[in-house]
Amino acid sequence: DTAVSQTPKYLVTQMGNDKSIKCEQNLGHDTMYWYKQDSKKFLKIMFSYNNKELIINETVPNRFSPKSPDKAHLNLHINSLELGDSAVYFCASSQEAGAGGYTFGSGTRLTVV
Amino acid sequence: GENVEQHPSTLSVQEGDSAVIKCTYSDSASNYFPWYKQELGKGPQLIIDIRSNVGEKKDQRIAVTLNKTAKHFSLHITETQPEDSAVYFCAAKLYGGSQGNLIFGKGTKLSVKP
Repeated sequence: DTAVSQTPKYLVTQMGNDKSIKCEQNLGHDTMYWYKQDSKKFLKIMFSYNNKELIINETVPNRFSPKSPDKAHLNLHINSLELGDSAVYFCASSQEAGAGGYTFGSGTRLTVV
Repeated sequence: GENVEQHPSTLSVQEGDSAVIKCTYSDSASNYFPWYKQELGKGPQLIIDIRSNVGEKKDQRIAVTLNKTAKHFSLHITETQPEDSAVYFCAAKLYGGSQGNLIFGKGTKLSVKP
């Protein structure tokens, strides 16, 4: 069983569209995260959720919105996609907020054309 | 906030040689330093971590050292093998701090030549 699973693995879409990326973890972790990895491989935190509460929100455009129906899921919704949103998006989870190592999903490669 | 610098950005070694990747951090409050390995097309995977109450930790061919005074920490891989080829990331944060998050270095692409 995959610990942190993301869907889809690849997503190609046109500018201006709205899309969602889903993430689920079966580790029983309390905190989930979204990271963006750009073309230079730089990993940057976007959001984290602990027990359905947003506890970190970096300077991310409000076109990006995390949605957590329960503590095992943290989905990422993106409105009005732009070319610069093209990147690989990783979901991750940890045992509790700020504690220990993170377990990452395999990533979603988003390409905006 | 925390800033993590990582060097070198690329590293090429012969199979069997050792590889060393170095990181520095800026926030003296950080006390948790994990290392991740990212293979092509996959997510980062935790390979070893260290907390500031120890200076060194080993796991088979991998070791991490921490100099808290100098705010340096390093990853050492001995007897490198082709399957060690990947991008390695260091990171730092305040362990247990709910308002902090894992800050990553910019990665080191390690190539191990057979």
